[in-house]
Amino acid sequence: DADVTQTPRNRITKTGKRIMLECSQTKGHDRMYWYRQDPGLGLRLIYYSFDVKDINKGEISDGYSVSRQAQAKFSLSLESAIPNQTALYFCATSEGQGHSNQPQHFGDGTRLSIL
Amino acid sequence: GEDVEQSLFLSVREGDSSVINCTYTDSSSTYLYWYKQEPGAGLQLLTYIFSNMDMKQDQRLTVLLNKKDKHLSLRIADTQTGDSAIYFCAAAGYSTLTFGKGTMLLVSP
Repeated sequence: DADVTQTPRNRITKTGKRIMLECSQTKGHDRMYWYRQDPGLGLRLIYYSFDVKDINKGEISDGYSVSRQAQAKFSLSLESAIPNQTALYFCATSEGQGHSNQPQHFGDGTRLSIL
Repeated sequence: GEDVEQSLFLSVREGDSSVINCTYTDSSSTYLYWYKQEPGAGLQLLTYIFSNMDMKQDQRLTVLLNKKDKHLSLRIADTQTGDSAIYFCAAAGYSTLTFGKGTMLLVSP
């Protein structure tokens, strides 16, 4: 089984719909991250969480929200989806020790298309 | 904030060596990472180097770090068609990683 599991793997939806992407991990890591990947733009950080009570905005948080339901679960929501949020979304985890020097481990991604 | 730059594309023949280059701007980055992304998959950690090292070798992979020029490279020896993928360089900042845009490596038979 994958250590970092994202659901769904693919989703097609319409503009204005509320979408939730889920991430769960079995690695026991404290830190979790959400990124989006767009062709030619690499990975950009949306939100990150260092523990259940800690949520931080990343580079591109506008239009997104997150919930850290438990150490192992971190979900990303699009309250009212718009077409330019069409992208590949990745969840990642890392151990929590001081600065962010620990390697991040990625899920297989969710491909989201908004029509 | 940190900025990480990579060339976007590299094409090599099977059996040749590949060298993927990366530059970063924050000299306080303590760890620098290389990730590989195959089609339809997430990012797989390949290797990393601590900033007090100049070189790290791991089987066919060699990472070179020039701290003065803030330049990082990944050399893949005896490149195989299975090495075709996108390679990302990432620099560790205070709280998060900053990724480059990725280098697409195409290996032809």
